Amino acid sequence: EAGVTQFPSHSVIEKGQTVTLRCDPISGHDNLYWYRRVMGKEIKFLLHFVKESKQDESGMPNNRFLAERTGGTYSTLKVQPAELEDSGVYFCASSQVRGFATNEKLFFGSGTQLSVL
Amino acid sequence: AQKITQTQPGMFVQEKEAVTLDCTYDTSDQSYGLFWYKQPSSGEMIFLIYQGSYDEQNATEGRYSLNFQKARKSANLVISASQLGDSAMYFCAMREPYSSASKIIFGSGTRLSIRP
Repeated sequence: EAGVTQFPSHSVIEKGQTVTLRCDPISGHDNLYWYRRVMGKEIKFLLHFVKESKQDESGMPNNRFLAERTGGTYSTLKVQPAELEDSGVYFCASSQVRGFATNEKLFFGSGTQLSVL
Repeated sequence: AQKITQTQPGMFVQEKEAVTLDCTYDTSDQSYGLFWYKQPSSGEMIFLIYQGSYDEQNATEGRYSLNFQKARKSANLVISASQLGDSAMYFCAMREPYSSASKIIFGSGTRLSIRP
């Protein structure tokens, strides 16, 4: 069974450019999360999809970030225009737990290292 | 508000020794789950161990155990007989399923380095 895959693994762009990150969750996983880690800091929650619906997008930094999950399968996270502070590692994770369960184990991708110069 | 605190940014341990990685959390809920993840240099996040707030016994998974002290809101990870391959970042995490913001939150991590 394939794990969570993210593409690209690395992206180097200039300030003002647009970048789109992609995440393919494990097949059958309704929950899809985006997280970001800036060097030396905590892994910060960005947003949560349940199938194609945004369950919680409280962690999205601002309206330069747009996440989609068309058809409830893969997800994209677009940053437009990118700023220097957007640099970091963007992780995608998925899970199949539904409802009010405390033991929601996340399966992570290897992350996308984004560098904005 | 939910919060995870990991006070040890880095630790060095001699191979074969046991190591304890600290984690404290803040929650007002009675029902929650606690997790530890490992991130080796390759970048992927690997699930290690889970502890539910109502579990009476400390969770164990091979060489990993979770020292759960509910009253102190502490969920320390203990690695017995450390190995060189244990060198990695370790993240403590928590989920409060009944909160209005039901998501898994993480601490800032501890970088563990095992000396041969």
